[in-house]
Amino acid sequence: DAGVIQSPRHEVTEMGQEVTLRCKPISGHNSLFWYRQTMMRGLELLIYFNNNVPIDDSGMPEDRFSAKMPNASFSTLKIQPSEPRDSAVYFCASSQPRGGEETQYFGPGTRLLVL
Amino acid sequence: GQSLEQPSEVTAVEGAIVQINCTYQTSGFYGLSWYQQHDGGAPTFLSYNALDGLEETGRFSSFLSRSDSYGYLLLQELQMKDSASYFCAVIMVGFQKLVFGTGTRLLVSP
Repeated sequence: DAGVIQSPRHEVTEMGQEVTLRCKPISGHNSLFWYRQTMMRGLELLIYFNNNVPIDDSGMPEDRFSAKMPNASFSTLKIQPSEPRDSAVYFCASSQPRGGEETQYFGPGTRLLVL
Repeated sequence: GQSLEQPSEVTAVEGAIVQINCTYQTSGFYGLSWYQQHDGGAPTFLSYNALDGLEETGRFSSFLSRSDSYGYLLLQELQMKDSASYFCAVIMVGFQKLVFGTGTRLLVSP
């Protein structure tokens, strides 16, 4: 069974450019999460979806960040315009909660460097 | 808000036992999870506690005391491959999201 798939795995871009990160959750999982990880701030939840609907976007840093989930098998995280401080590893995770247990399965991450 | 505290680093030798502690402050606590992350890799699920007590999964065990807002991850028969970062994460009532601690870097030496 395929795990969570993210693309691209690495992205190098220049400040001001638009960046789009993609995620395909595990089939059958109805929740999807976007995280950002940096040395300084650790692992931060940016936004999560349940049944394709955004539930909590309180972690989205600012209006430059947006996320969509048009269907159960695809989500995007967009940064426009990008800034050097956005450099981080971005993880997508999915889950299918059972009886309150929340096991999240993480994708391999996208390593973003904004110059 | 929520806060979780873990030691930043722990060192141990192969074959030893190590305990990584996690204390948390949160309203509406539901459960505590542990994740492992190797350098350059993604976090992977290790264990989950919703009730007080010890959960054992092979060489790894996790403990929770809800009254003390405290949990720990116990790693036995340490192997070099256990060198990684370990994160505790709180699940809150009514939410699916996890709030992660800052992580503990475990270094296992020969």
